[in-house]
Amino acid sequence: EPEVTQTPSHQVTQMGQEVILRCVPISNHLYFYWYRQILGQKVEFLVSFYNNEISEKSEIFDDQFSVERPDGSNFTLKIRSTKLEDSAMYFCASSEWVGGLTPLHFGNGTRLTVT
Amino acid sequence: RKEVEQDPGPFNVPEGATVAFNCTYSNSASQSFFWYRQDCRKEPKLLMSVYSSGNEDGRFTAQLNRASQYISLLIRDSKLSDSATYLCVVEYGNKLVFGAGTILRVKS
Repeated sequence: EPEVTQTPSHQVTQMGQEVILRCVPISNHLYFYWYRQILGQKVEFLVSFYNNEISEKSEIFDDQFSVERPDGSNFTLKIRSTKLEDSAMYFCASSEWVGGLTPLHFGNGTRLTVT
Repeated sequence: RKEVEQDPGPFNVPEGATVAFNCTYSNSASQSFFWYRQDCRKEPKLLMSVYSSGNEDGRFTAQLNRASQYISLLIRDSKLSDSATYLCVVEYGNKLVFGAGTILRVKS
């Protein structure tokens, strides 16, 4: 079964450093997402992406965050200057069609630890 | 009302029990609904979509009440392996919004 893959599985960085989280969505999917989950809290929407543009972003997704699809397969999330509160599990997801018309398929996440 | 609201539990049930979870949502325009399952520190995995007429997948039954903006999940004949957090997920335009989850612990 095709799957979403994310790298690295765990990233440790110092406050103020830039990090790039990488994702390879399922190949025939057109919609891509980033979610995050702070330990013990709910899964929170960050951003959705379609046709090389952001479709929607949450208030969490401020100027420190950016997304990019640099080639035909990768989908990245960059945090420019990390803060302690950015420590969380970051999940990439993809779907065949928009929003909730088809389910999201999640990668197994990148655990980001900011020290 | 919160976008998606769930009873956090935990629900502690013996093997073989039937257990039901409820979820409410605030957007009357939402069209798509799902139940996901999340094991500790793992990614959410789709359990089932929820259709207007209600649907069943083995031991799992999902119901939708649009008038009350309410979704339910029924698990029959609970197994130890059903222990997890169950996430109610609702479409809001270009995103899916997750509830905080209901913890289920099935004990032998």
